Amino acid sequence: KNEVEQSPQNLTAQEGEFITINCSYSVGISALHWLQQHPGGGIVSLFMLSSGKKKHGRLIATINIQEKHSSLHITASHPRDSAVYICAVYAGNQFYFGTGTSLTVIP
Amino acid sequence: DAGVIQSPRHEVTEMGQEVTLRCKPISGHNSLFWYRQTMMRGLELLIYFNNNVPIDDSGMPEDRFSAKMPNASFSTLKIQPSEPRDSAVYFCASRPKGLAGNEQFFGPGTRLTVL
Repeated sequence: KNEVEQSPQNLTAQEGEFITINCSYSVGISALHWLQQHPGGGIVSLFMLSSGKKKHGRLIATINIQEKHSSLHITASHPRDSAVYICAVYAGNQFYFGTGTSLTVIP
Repeated sequence: DAGVIQSPRHEVTEMGQEVTLRCKPISGHNSLFWYRQTMMRGLELLIYFNNNVPIDDSGMPEDRFSAKMPNASFSTLKIQPSEPRDSAVYFCASRPKGLAGNEQFFGPGTRLTVL
């Protein structure tokens, strides 16, 4: 059983579309991270959340602690947003990772 | 700031050989993490250090893997002997002082191929 589940696994969108990636977890957490892995392999930390919502440019991340669920939204998607998005939670001194959502934005 | 530095970026070796991966964390960060990423298993935490001390190595696959952090600016991950199933991308990340779940900064990774 995976402690972190992401959906969808793969997502193709047209440029300009609003995108949502979901993450559900089964453990009690102290923090949740959204990571972006570029096609070249580099990993960038997008957000760290413990409650509420955070916004950075066209990216918005929300978390509902009671429902053990987080979403990553991308507004006005662009081909450069094409990447794998990974949800990771920090619980009990351990990190648990989702398998990632592969996003392709078509011009 | 140069960010987290890893070397080598690519390593190709033969089964049975010793492999050493190196990481230089961001100056001032007090936590360091080693991760492995494969197509089959995704991203996995292998081990992490706080103030140069190993805190959790439960992710280290077996005794062939060992990690050290002799000082605050350098860490190694060693595989001896290497096997083809060790082929993966190995990432190092560092984290500044503060809350334990805080943001990490990832290095570019080392792509290891064991033939």
